[in-house]
Amino acid sequence: EVQLVESGGGLVQPGGSLRISCSASGFTFDEIAMSWVRQAPGKGLEWVSGISWNGARVDYGDSAKGRFTMSRDNAKNSVYLQMNYLRVEDTAFYFCAKDVGPTTAGHNWFESWGQGTLVTVSS
Amino acid sequence: QSVLSQPPSVSGAPGQRVTISCTGTSSNIGANYDVHWYQQLPGTAPKLVIYGINKRPSGVPDRFSGSKSATTVSLAITGLQTEDEADYYCQSYDSSLSGYVFGTGTKVSVL
Repeated sequence: EVQLVESGGGLVQPGGSLRISCSASGFTFDEIAMSWVRQAPGKGLEWVSGISWNGARVDYGDSAKGRFTMSRDNAKNSVYLQMNYLRVEDTAFYFCAKDVGPTTAGHNWFESWGQGTLVTVSS
Repeated sequence: QSVLSQPPSVSGAPGQRVTISCTGTSSNIGANYDVHWYQQLPGTAPKLVIYGINKRPSGVPDRFSGSKSATTVSLAITGLQTEDEADYYCQSYDSSLSGYVFGTGTKVSVL
């Protein structure tokens, strides 16, 4: 059974930094791309970032470019999202999602999701 | 900043059929990238209900179906049940953004 468990969320001040993590199990982690998707309270889904199976390719949504960095450690079956220069509008649940292929690609979808970790940016 | 447009809400009585549209542009749905659908029950993570326009994952009832016409894709729920009350999102890929995109989301209410 695929399991994705996010951690590291919390309260941070505007302009601050936070790193969230996702621990995966139940599948061959080092063959699959992973993504972060966020959802502000009461709002819709927004793709944040995706990383290829070996970490060589990382793609970002517009809101993450220049501020967020996604990485992975295949030895630990984990992906991470380092978030810098956080803004109030970054407040959201951050979901870890399992892709169906080795890279972010045109016909792919998310077949499994974690339960999310809440990041709150507020002074 | 959703790239794909969906109606905010649809509703129907138990047993009825409802459809949700997802409209894109020439850089996503119009470029023939696949569209997928997720169901999100209150307070839970999204769950895949349709992939590749019209394919159902194992365990998803055949009441859920998908179709496509030009730059619009649709999700249909036939024989609507109370447990279908949820938010539904379409998802695709956008070549101009080089990333995945989601629809604005549709709340399905069972009257």
